[in-house]
Amino acid sequence: EAQVTQNPRYLITVTGKKLTVTCSQNMNHEYMSWYRQDPGLGLRQIYYSMNVEVTDKGDVPEGYKVSRKEKRNFPLILESPSPNQTSLYFCASSTGTAGNTEAFFGQGTRLTVV
Amino acid sequence: GQQVMQIPQYQHVQEGEDFTTYCNSSTTLSNIQWYKQRPGGHPVFLIQLVKSGEVKKQKRLTFQFGEAKKNSSLHITATQTTDVGTYSCRSTSGTYKYIFGTGTRLKVLA
Repeated sequence: EAQVTQNPRYLITVTGKKLTVTCSQNMNHEYMSWYRQDPGLGLRQIYYSMNVEVTDKGDVPEGYKVSRKEKRNFPLILESPSPNQTSLYFCASSTGTAGNTEAFFGQGTRLTVV
Repeated sequence: GQQVMQIPQYQHVQEGEDFTTYCNSSTTLSNIQWYKQRPGGHPVFLIQLVKSGEVKKQKRLTFQFGEAKKNSSLHITATQTTDVGTYSCRSTSGTYKYIFGTGTRLKVLA
């Protein structure tokens, strides 16, 4: 089954404790990205990757890191989480980078930083 | 930077009533996509519009792209309880970046 898998689905952590949210897709998609979703603000792009070893900042990259060592995986790293990073996070992938292909989203990760 | 405004933020309708959400941009959009997110779920692609003035239909859903390619709308005829969720538009912002509208949360009262 074609899918984007995120883990964990729920995470509660303390301020400053490094964490990684994993994302994996089995569709051989070139493009992957991370979004955060907050009430009233919609989905905002954090980072994206056009292909292996190629990543770039989205609209809200502060406090996050990513890597793309393999085509299927695109982890999101919070080196020192803060309470303002409490949010619902989605990973997405798509087949192309031209901006005209549909995105497939993971199930989401609800992160709480206390 | 580029912004896509979406209205309304919330809409409550009685089952059987129509519903419309609008996305507006200050700049010309190359294309626009629409997504639906059920409560507790993830966004799911509905459709993409590319051409100026384009209109597409999916059963009770009608999607339009403005003539100037700066606005788009999603209209649902005779809403059903299965239509509940958040509807969001998405477009490109630059070559590889994407921007979403703020979303419209639809609640359908039976």
